[in-house]
Order: sequence, then structure tokens, then C-alpha cells
Amino acid sequence: QLLEQSPQFLSIQEGENLTVYCNSSSVFSSLQWYRQEPGEGPVLLIALYKAGELTSNGRLTAQFGITRKDSFLNISASIPSDVGIYFCAGQGTQGGSEKLVFGKGTKLTVNP
Amino acid sequence: GAVVSQHPSWVICKSGTSVKIECRSLDFQATTMFWYRQFPKQSLMLMATSNEGSKATYEQGVEKDKFLINHASLTLSTLTVTSAHPEDSSFYICSARVLAGGIRDTQYFGPGTRLTVL
Repeated sequence: QLLEQSPQFLSIQEGENLTVYCNSSSVFSSLQWYRQEPGEGPVLLIALYKAGELTSNGRLTAQFGITRKDSFLNISASIPSDVGIYFCAGQGTQGGSEKLVFGKGTKLTVNP
Repeated sequence: GAVVSQHPSWVICKSGTSVKIECRSLDFQATTMFWYRQFPKQSLMLMATSNEGSKATYEQGVEKDKFLINHASLTLSTLTVTSAHPEDSSFYICSARVLAGGIRDTQYFGPGTRLTVL
């Protein structure tokens, strides 16, 4: 199972909105978005469990695709502290389904 | 959210020595914990799945004799890197699985341990 994440790099101005995408040919039982800062572990931002589920966490909004194969994460009104690497991670539906499959990450830079 | 801690946060050791890294779930019990390895500018790579009271399940290509995992209690899993070599230098991250009933299965990550082998 592979998760394709795009874009790989994103550089925006403070106050702008941004969207990160994640898609796969595989079906996932859940899809989670994490943010990681240098030298730290990933921090859970949003977890999605139902097909089509749309969830917000402050300025962050994420949706799980109807087919459970894709998702997006939107950040509105970006601020400098939003910088970091954003990962999507899908939980499989087959045996060993407790494992998470990670995308390669999106490195976000926010310019003041 | 659930809190996972790791100790130490960084360690430097000489080649040939063994290093133990602890992963604790602080405010919940975790029957399943996971150990990941992350190289610079790369994503997380799952090394093994640790289940309380049973042997860990290692991913393909991960040497079980080199990376010893013990999950002796519902709040503690340890990873021991035996006979460490410079190529074992990496960022090691653990996570703990929280089951909130039904399908709401979420993993929370520790802050990571930076291992440098000289």
C-alpha cells in the first residue's frame, strides 16, 4: 500500500491558504494527518474514519474521500508557526491493519 | 490527546555498545506500540509492532536480533539497539495505539530519540 502525497514542498506567504493532497490506489479504514517539526515526533492534527468525513480543527480542515482512497488537508490563514512537515498516514484494511502507511510528507514554509 | 514519552531524547554511544530506548504511554494503556526509524528528510519507516506480553512482529528487512523489542507492560515498550554501529545512527520514534471503541483507532507518537553511534 502506497500513499502519494503532494506537493512535496510548499512555500507561501503568511495569511495565505494552502491544501495538501494524499491519494492511493488502496482503500484505507482511516486516514490521519500529522505535523512534524525538526527533531520532534509527529503530532496528530486530524483523524478521519468515515468515507466522506469532513473534520475541522481550528484553521485546519480535512476530508476523507468517498472511496477511502484519498484525502486533503486545508490550512487557512497560515501563520509562521505552521511551518513543518505534514504527513498523511493511512491505516490498512487487510491483516496487520493496525499499521500506518505514511506519505512522503509535505514541507511547508511560511514567509512573514 | 494521549501522551507518549520517550527516553532518552538523544544518546551518543561508541560502536559496539548497546543502547536501550524507552517508550511510555503516560495517560492510557497501550496493548500495541510501534517503533519507527526516520532518516533525514525522509518519512517514517515502520520497524516493528510491539504487543504487550508477546513477541514483537518485525517488518521485512529489520534484524530482530539487532533491534530487540520488549513490551513488558501496558505502558512501556523498550527498543534495544545491540552492538550499535554508525549506520544505526538515526531518529527512532515510537507510537502507541489508542482504541476509542469501534473503528476509531489512532496512533500517538513520542517525541523521538536521536541516536548517534561514533
